[in-house]
Amino acid sequence: AAGVIQSPRHLIKEKRETATLKCYPIPRHDTVYWYQQGPGQDPQFLISFYEKMQSDKGSIPDRFSAQQFSDYHSELNMSSLELGDSALYFCASSLGQGLVNEQYFGPGTRLTVT
Amino acid sequence: QKEVEQNSGPLSVPEGAIASLNCTYSDRGSQSFFWYRQYSGKSPELIMFIYSNGDKEDGRFTAQLNKASQYVSLLIRDSQPSDSATYLCAVANSGNTPLVFGKGTRLSVIA
Repeated sequence: AAGVIQSPRHLIKEKRETATLKCYPIPRHDTVYWYQQGPGQDPQFLISFYEKMQSDKGSIPDRFSAQQFSDYHSELNMSSLELGDSALYFCASSLGQGLVNEQYFGPGTRLTVT
Repeated sequence: QKEVEQNSGPLSVPEGAIASLNCTYSDRGSQSFFWYRQYSGKSPELIMFIYSNGDKEDGRFTAQLNKASQYVSLLIRDSQPSDSATYLCAVANSGNTPLVFGKGTRLSVIA
């Protein structure tokens, strides 16, 4: 079965640079979530989109922005990168209807800021 | 502040034994509960979800939910070394709301 696709898988940036992470949800899934996971930490929710509209916002810095496009893929834009932004960034997708919406995670993008 | 609590472990069990993983949550409005398995450096993999009180079985895995006690557990029968991973408990209010994760329990299955 098709899974969530994320690109790139690895990214190395310098401080103050910008980065763009991409996420392609499972076909027919209409909801995308972004999570950040630091070393030894649990995933922390950043932001989500349902049917191309922002649905929830978590601990996303103002330096970050995201959107969901007409084909349901999503991009996370990160500017003025800081050393503390080094983490695994996961995208998850779900079919946003019903009481229980299982979220399936992509393989993640490992961002290293030097 | 919604909180999900798990014992960080490590929890060590011999191969073939039952591993019992526990999780408590603070938000009584939570309606759906998930268990994810995460290998080091990899993404969380959904094992099971549950939303009704009681037990739900899927192969070697059984999830248990007690909303009155705000308690969720995961039992892994016939544990295998390949089950060694971090198990994340996650809760959501309803529908397509974000997950709140616990810090995970590290399980080690000894051959």
